[in-house]
Amino acid sequence: EAAVTQSPRNKVAVTGGKVTLSCNQTNNHNNMYWYRQDTGHGLRLIHYSYGAGSTEKGDIPDGYKASRPSQENFSLILELATPSQTSVYFCASGAEQNSGNTLYFGEGSRLIVV
Amino acid sequence: GDKVKQSPSALSLQEGTNSALRCNFSIAATTVQWFLQNPRGSLINLFYLVPGTKENGRLKSAFDSKESYSTLHIRDAQLEDSGTYFCAVPKVVFGTGTRLQVLP
Repeated sequence: EAAVTQSPRNKVAVTGGKVTLSCNQTNNHNNMYWYRQDTGHGLRLIHYSYGAGSTEKGDIPDGYKASRPSQENFSLILELATPSQTSVYFCASGAEQNSGNTLYFGEGSRLIVV
Repeated sequence: GDKVKQSPSALSLQEGTNSALRCNFSIAATTVQWFLQNPRGSLINLFYLVPGTKENGRLKSAFDSKESYSTLHIRDAQLEDSGTYFCAVPKVVFGTGTRLQVLP
């Protein structure tokens, strides 16, 4: 069973603080993704990765960094959290594009920045 | 504007009826994926499509890459079909979603 695990599931952070959202996948997928979901916007791609050591900017990367230290782990880093980054964040893993494999999502991490 | 537009944005169905959701792309797409986000917030894979059609139980999806759209047909809607449906295209750009409520 494909598995993507996110932590923490819930987080309250203060403005200006550092937040790290972690994602672990046991699917041995090369590709991993971080999205945020806000009412009226659906899911928007923040950063993604093609494999260990690679990170790529998605559609809304400003204010976020990403780190892919290994095949299994992909982190999203907010160096200076702001209230506008209050959202639900989803991590996903997937095999190569057009390979016939779809995305597998984590359960989401709810972040509130006060 | 949105690269992937879904319609309708919201829909209420009586249990047992049929409906179709649509996804239009303004970017080139060779594959499309459909997901259901259930009321608990979990994202569930429904279909991964190359041009053509796929069917799974009461769900059927079609993808026309030349005309840049995809559809998801729901037959005999059940209460558990309620949630928000998303389509997505590489590099996994999501549509805005269709919120479906199935009424008893």
